Amino acid sequence: AQSVAQPEDQVNVAEGNPLTVKCTYSVSGNPYLFWYVQYPNRGLQFLLKYITGDNLVKGSYGFEAEFNKSQTSFHLKKPSALVSDSALYFCAVRAHTGRRALTFGSGTRLQVQP
Amino acid sequence: GAGVSQSPSNKVTEKGKDVELRCDPISGHTALYWYRQSLGQGLEFLIYFQGNSAPDKSGLPSDRFSAERTGGSVSTLTIQRTQQEDSAVYLCASSVSGTTNYEQYFGPGTRLTVT
Repeated sequence: AQSVAQPEDQVNVAEGNPLTVKCTYSVSGNPYLFWYVQYPNRGLQFLLKYITGDNLVKGSYGFEAEFNKSQTSFHLKKPSALVSDSALYFCAVRAHTGRRALTFGSGTRLQVQP
Repeated sequence: GAGVSQSPSNKVTEKGKDVELRCDPISGHTALYWYRQSLGQGLEFLIYFQGNSAPDKSGLPSDRFSAERTGGSVSTLTIQRTQQEDSAVYLCASSVSGTTNYEQYFGPGTRLTVT
């Protein structure tokens, strides 16, 4: 079975400061890892993914994530937060083989204060 | 280009009634997924279609839930004899292919309320 843990229900950060949203995963074999963002009353939007290769992945809107195999983590980061980054963030995992659907974490609400 | 569309955007129904939710995937995408997002919870996988292969129904919570995909494009999720615990946002997603690492693109969802 595969699972994703997002240990923080909410992260608060001041505008201009760096932000980190944590994610750890459990999967058999090598993972495909994804981050999605959900704005109010909207569907999920793809931010970035890790498939293989460089552990640091860059995505949309200045976000990046670092894959750490030994810690089974895939934390989302941004050097300088914007108020418009305030949203609900989901980490998801899929194994290279087996079930094709994504397994999502419970989500982390990011609140960026002006 | 057009993204994934879902209809209706909101549905209120009485307990015990049947409902149908529709999903139009991105043109050319062979893989289609249904998820459910309950209040305060993450996304729960329901069912997955890939081309003409038999669907993966392993996430359907009960036999009241069913889905079909006609002509490899539009999909309909049907919930029979709705219960209050079925209230949730139902999200549809599509991807170029389910057999590789392509990301999934999500529709805006259908908010189902069972009274």
